[in-house]
Amino acid sequence: QSALTQPASVSGSPGQSITISCTGTSSDVGAYNFVSWYQQYPGKAPKLILYDVIYRPSGVPDRFSGSQSGNTASLTISGLQAEDEADYYCCSFTTSGTLVFGGGTKLTVL
Amino acid sequence: QITLKESGPTLVKPTQTLTLTCTFSGFSLTSSGLGVGWVRQPPGKALEWLALIYWDDDKRYSPSLKSRLSVTGDTSKNQVVLRMTNVDPGDTATYFCAHKRWGYDAFDIWGQGTAVTVYS
Repeated sequence: QSALTQPASVSGSPGQSITISCTGTSSDVGAYNFVSWYQQYPGKAPKLILYDVIYRPSGVPDRFSGSQSGNTASLTISGLQAEDEADYYCCSFTTSGTLVFGGGTKLTVL
Repeated sequence: QITLKESGPTLVKPTQTLTLTCTFSGFSLTSSGLGVGWVRQPPGKALEWLALIYWDDDKRYSPSLKSRLSVTGDTSKNQVVLRMTNVDPGDTATYFCAHKRWGYDAFDIWGQGTAVTVYS
């Protein structure tokens, strides 16, 4: 299985909205609504921010939202804040019951 | 409160077997729907999923590493052990274990990670 495809980097100014895409195949992203997103600061463990495409764990601001269309899932961060500057990874279950991560996206807040 | 902590050697020689232990608290691996997974991250690179063990002892492995990995659970010790055979410098990474909650198709709680270097 190949890694899911994410843009290497995205950037935005405080207050703006950005979207990070995550493209897979009909065997992973497109198969189910089982895409999750993680935020990771340098030297830290990943933190779950979205699961099953659209659901936020308790404590995650509603500025973070998700969507999916076919084989592509997306993470949108609205009202960008300086603290959102981090790496973001998508992840999906596959039809084989395995998991696959994306290559990661570095978000820069200008 | 759910916590997980990885432990194991920091240095391993090529061809050796790497054994990592995830010691957890706040849940039982026998609870229906739960799982514990392993994910690694080479320095400066992306996350890579390795393995997942479920409450019913169902086990899933990364297809590219399946022949080298094994994961076992010890419910009496609240531990999950990952073994990787025949390591090489490409296995140098920080290894994380993570909790999969029932109803979440994701890892909701992560350990702090443990750094492993494969050197000759």
